[in-house]
Amino acid sequence: GNSVTQMEGPVTLSEEAFLTINCTYTATGYPSLFWYVQYPGEGLQLLLKATKADDKGSNKGFEATYRKETTSFHLEKGSVQVSDSAVYFCALRILTGGGNKLTFGTGTQLKVEL
Amino acid sequence: DGGITQSPKYLFRKEGQNVTLSCEQNLNHDAMYWYRQDPGQGLRLIYYSQIVNDFQKGDIAEGYSVSREKKESFPLTVTSAQKNPTAFYLCASSINGIDRGETQYFGPGTRLLVL
Repeated sequence: GNSVTQMEGPVTLSEEAFLTINCTYTATGYPSLFWYVQYPGEGLQLLLKATKADDKGSNKGFEATYRKETTSFHLEKGSVQVSDSAVYFCALRILTGGGNKLTFGTGTQLKVEL
Repeated sequence: DGGITQSPKYLFRKEGQNVTLSCEQNLNHDAMYWYRQDPGQGLRLIYYSQIVNDFQKGDIAEGYSVSREKKESFPLTVTSAQKNPTAFYLCASSINGIDRGETQYFGPGTRLLVL
């Protein structure tokens, strides 16, 4: 089956620190990969995505590269801000006859302190 | 502004009671989804629909039912058969549920609590 594994949180960083949130996946086919972000009490928002190997998704200073050889899609940001505090979800999608079904990881909470 | 609305924000269910969660979108999307979020478990798919009057079970459909009579609306009913309904419920939509890199857009969620 398909699955996504994320590093457990919470991850606590000081403002302007470098962020890495690890994400690895197992898939029966050739997935598209996504990072979603959830701010407290809200729904999820797409942060970035990549649809084929070696693609780099980027948005708001965050980036992630689709690594097929290591089945990974790690999220990075060079300098985090307090406003980046949220829960981050890695997800994959395999194109099947069953529609646009996303498989999510368990989420990683990020806390950024001054 | 286009988007997805869910109501109510909080919902309380008594034992043996069915409750219905509302989801409406004005994005003109064909596909809609319901997810359940539990602490430490990420999101799990309950039901999805790619077109009006058609829907499919997701990974955890037992104890839930849906309808899709209008393109804009995809209500979820939590029945009394769902023994552990306390969770955060998220509705989402996407253009057609087909494209490889298609984005799903999420509503703000409904938190269901059992009295």
